[in-house]
Amino acid sequence: DAGVTQSPTHLIKTRGQQVTLRCSPKSGHDTVSWYQQALGQGPQFIFQYYEEEERQRGNFPDRFSGHQFPNYSSELNVNALLLGDSALYLCASSLGSGFEQYFGPGTRLTVT
Amino acid sequence: QKEVEQNSGPLSVPEGAIASLNCTYSDRGSQSFFWYRQYSGKSPELIMFIYSNGDKEDGRFTAQLNKASQYVSLLIRDSQPSDSATYLCAVDTGRRALTFGSGTRLQVQP
Repeated sequence: DAGVTQSPTHLIKTRGQQVTLRCSPKSGHDTVSWYQQALGQGPQFIFQYYEEEERQRGNFPDRFSGHQFPNYSSELNVNALLLGDSALYLCASSLGSGFEQYFGPGTRLTVT
Repeated sequence: QKEVEQNSGPLSVPEGAIASLNCTYSDRGSQSFFWYRQYSGKSPELIMFIYSNGDKEDGRFTAQLNKASQYVSLLIRDSQPSDSATYLCAVDTGRRALTFGSGTRLQVQP
């Protein structure tokens, strides 16, 4: 049973650049949520995609955008990177209206 | 007031003891409650979820929920050094977006 996968594992970018992170959900899941986890903090909800639409959004600026593809995989895009965007970006998948979310290994983004 | 509060720890228990981890939440409309375990440098791993008042047991883990007191806890029986990790409490208010606490670091001493 394939779990949630994310790419890349690590990424180093410069302030002002743009970045795209990718996620493939667990087999059989159709919903993808993205979270940002700063060091020493719990994950913070960015947004959730279901049926290729953004269903819920957390308190993040418009610089953060996403997309879901027909095969349920998803991308997170961050424009105009700031130093404060350095964090572990986590993708979690779930099934439809189910509440249990399973996390991928994460992408560690460093902005210099 | 934070929406989900946890004591940051570290909580130190001897091997074989019961570890008790606590979490309070502010939104009375919260419907679903989750405990995740996160090892250093790794992603969170779902270990328990509970929706109804009372206790839910799964192996060495027991989740307890008291909606009137807005309190959820996780008990780990027969604690092992491999249980040493940060335990994250997460709450879903019905919007399918999890709100996490900052986590409690558990140390199990051999």
